[in-house]
Amino acid sequence: EAGVAQSPRYKIIEKRQSVAFWCNPISGHATLYWYQQILGQGPKLLIQFQNNGVVDDSQLPKDRFSAERLKGVDSTLKIQPAKLEDSAVYLCASSLVGLLRGTDTQYFGPGTRLTVL
Amino acid sequence: GDSVTQMEGPVTLSEEAFLTINCTYTATGYPSLFWYVQYPGEGLQLLLKATKADDKGSNKGFEATYRKETTSFHLEKGSVQVSDSAVYFCAHMGGKLIFGQGTELSVKP
Repeated sequence: EAGVAQSPRYKIIEKRQSVAFWCNPISGHATLYWYQQILGQGPKLLIQFQNNGVVDDSQLPKDRFSAERLKGVDSTLKIQPAKLEDSAVYLCASSLVGLLRGTDTQYFGPGTRLTVL
Repeated sequence: GDSVTQMEGPVTLSEEAFLTINCTYTATGYPSLFWYVQYPGEGLQLLLKATKADDKGSNKGFEATYRKETTSFHLEKGSVQVSDSAVYFCAHMGGKLIFGQGTELSVKP
């Protein structure tokens, strides 16, 4: 079974530029998550989709971050404009059901390491 | 609010030593508990989980028991190997998955 795919693996940009990350979840997984992992910290949830609807985006900085999952499969996370503090690894995860299922396992992709100069 | 606290790293052990990584949590209700592992250059992988009090999760020689009375989920392994060198994350899930800060483990031959 193919895992969660993410691209690119690495990205270096200057502050105030824009950047986009792509994620393709495991086939058949209804729920997709984007996390931000700052160096030395655990991942923090940015946004959760159930199919193509947003379940939780309470920690997404909406003035600069946006995400979409138009057809309920793959997803794009965008930052515009980027700030120095956005330097982090952006992780995508997926799970079979997600909503209200505390035992549902999340499977993570390899992440995109973003450096903002 | 909900949180997870892990023991500070890095932890350095010799091969075949006993490992304990402490994890405590605060949460409303009775969340599911997880340990994830992140090997160098790779993504997070689920190591083990427990979904209710007194459950023991186990995998690859690692174990952790869900202790409701002490709100803890300490990770243990009786004999570590060099290949266990990684960063270990404790997490709990009520409505969302909340991670601790991670504990780096380095095992020397």
